[in-house]
Amino acid sequence: AQSVTQLGSHVSVSEGALVLLRCNYSSSVPPYLFWYVQYPNQGLQLLLKYTSAATLVKGINGFEAEFKKSETSFHLTKPSAHMSDAAEYFCAVSGTNTGNQFYFGTGTSLTVIP
Amino acid sequence: DGGITQSPKYLFRKEGQNVTLSCEQNLNHDAMYWYRQDPGQGLRLIYYSQIVNDFQKGDIAEGYSVSREKKESFPLTVTSAQKNPTAFYLCASSIRDYSHRYGYTFGSGTRLTVV
Repeated sequence: AQSVTQLGSHVSVSEGALVLLRCNYSSSVPPYLFWYVQYPNQGLQLLLKYTSAATLVKGINGFEAEFKKSETSFHLTKPSAHMSDAAEYFCAVSGTNTGNQFYFGTGTSLTVIP
Repeated sequence: DGGITQSPKYLFRKEGQNVTLSCEQNLNHDAMYWYRQDPGQGLRLIYYSQIVNDFQKGDIAEGYSVSREKKESFPLTVTSAQKNPTAFYLCASSIRDYSHRYGYTFGSGTRLTVV
């Protein structure tokens, strides 16, 4: 079975500082991995996804994530935080042995301090 | 542009009343999903449908019902049997693929409040 863990339900960074949101998955088979962003009272928007091509994946709004099989991680980073990055971020995993579901993490709320 | 439309954006329900949330997509996706979102609990799957006229219960189906009569539409009814329906409801769709490698596309959500 697949599962995904997001460490830290709340993360605060200063404007201009590095953003690091953590995601670890558990799977015996390399999965497909996704990061979604949710702004208040809106749906989820795909930031980026890993589907077994390049391990460093670049997404929208300057975000990127690196797939590290040895660490079973897919952490999301952005070199310089902007006020508009304040939102909820969800990591999700799927794969050949997930049945008919995605597995979402519980989310990380990012606050950007001016 | 293709996408998913959820309506209404805000909905108020009285005790003992059934309400229906609309979800329409023009992405030509076979699969559609309903999630419930509560603060601090992430997303929980209510129902999903892989094809017209077929749907399956998710993790928290009790008190909810769905139909899938058309490929484009997957309405969710919150029945009076759902004791705590106040939440944010998200509809999603995807290409029908067992591994879900293409990800999901989400609507903008409906916030349901019991009054």
